[in-house]
Amino acid sequence: KAGVTQTPRYLIKTRGQQVTLSCSPISGHRSVSWYQQTPGQGLQFLFEYFSETQRNKGNFPGRFSGRQFSNSRSEMNVSTLELGDSALYLCASSLALADTLDTQYFGPGTRLTVL
Amino acid sequence: AQTVTQSQPEMSVQEAETVTLSCTYDTSENNYYLFWYKQPPSRQMILVIRQEAYKQQNATENRFSVNFQKAAKSFSLKISDSQLGDTAMYFCAFRVEYGNKLVFGAGTILRVKS
Repeated sequence: KAGVTQTPRYLIKTRGQQVTLSCSPISGHRSVSWYQQTPGQGLQFLFEYFSETQRNKGNFPGRFSGRQFSNSRSEMNVSTLELGDSALYLCASSLALADTLDTQYFGPGTRLTVL
Repeated sequence: AQTVTQSQPEMSVQEAETVTLSCTYDTSENNYYLFWYKQPPSRQMILVIRQEAYKQQNATENRFSVNFQKAAKSFSLKISDSQLGDTAMYFCAFRVEYGNKLVFGAGTILRVKS
């Protein structure tokens, strides 16, 4: 079974631009979560999507948004990029079955550099 | 709010030896899940082991085992027979019973030396 895939793997943008990152979950997985990893703040939860609805949200400004499609693929958008948005963005998927030890499996990440 | 603390920023171990990575957490929840992930230089996050809080038995996965002390809110990872491929950043993570928000510790860099 194919793992979680993320595109693109690397991105370079300038301040003020916007960017869209894509995540394709493992087949059959219905939940997709996004995380930001930086040297200073570590790994921080952005949001989770399940059945095309945002189910959980972290403490990030409204410039960070996401969506999920009917095939469970998810996109994350960051508008008005700032230098501090430079990070590795990780996507994780899970089955999201009730009453189970639901485990998240991570993609390889998208490295975003804001100049 | 839940917090996860990994007090060892870096550790080293000789190949074939055993090493223990520490993790403590803070929560008022009674049911939750704990995980250890490793992130090698490739940056791919890989699940190492997981534990349900309501299970008293410590989880094991081949050379990896945990020491889960619920009352002390401690969740340490023991790696036996360390291999060069175990060199990575190790993250302890916490999740409440519902939803998929993982709270991560700051990580421990483990270097396995030959």
